[in-house]
Amino acid sequence: SAVISQKPSRDICQRGTSLTIQCQVDSQVTMMFWYRQQPGQSLTLIATANQGSEATYESGFVIDKFPISRPNLTFSTLTVSNMSPEDSSIYLCSVAERGGLGPQETQYFGPGTRLLVL
Amino acid sequence: KNEVEQSPQNLTAQEGEFITINCSYSVGISALHWLQQHPGGGIVSLFMLSSGKKKHGRLIATINIQEKHSSLHITASHPRDSAVYICAVGNQAGTALIFGKGTTLSVSS
Repeated sequence: SAVISQKPSRDICQRGTSLTIQCQVDSQVTMMFWYRQQPGQSLTLIATANQGSEATYESGFVIDKFPISRPNLTFSTLTVSNMSPEDSSIYLCSVAERGGLGPQETQYFGPGTRLLVL
Repeated sequence: KNEVEQSPQNLTAQEGEFITINCSYSVGISALHWLQQHPGGGIVSLFMLSSGKKKHGRLIATINIQEKHSSLHITASHPRDSAVYICAVGNQAGTALIFGKGTTLSVSS
């Protein structure tokens, strides 16, 4: 199994600033994902972080707003840029073993970063 | 209509009761996941299944592929089971999860 840590665990930020969230995994994994969970909503995939190439963003999310880095197979960062109160959410890092989400794959989640934007 | 629907949305129970949470989905899937989210936000994977039934301690998960339905059962519920239970399905390509909105369970002693 994969153990995931995230920093910070929570933060309160001012409108217009940016916050970078770090995700560290205790083993090398092919696929890392970043999710957002807005209050009262289900998790929404922001992007898949690819090692050595640009992240793959889902519809409604853009690189300028959510730049992602993946310098190696155990670490990724998500930046929430030019924040507004609508960005107040829990942001979760997730990994899948063996590179996929098929019937034999297990997905592991980090503890989440709770962000409040004032 | 959401691709993954859970019911009930909220559930309260007395300690010791048998709990059932349901999940229906409308898309082809590679696998179905049951997740538990604690008040602090962290998520734990409880089960991943693509057929039949799995059991772990007091938790049982079943899936009926033909009916596109899964259930999560908790036997002898306990206050520490209080959490949000989320159903998620993996798309057929195995490249993404689609999440339900979760069921908030509160078990009182």
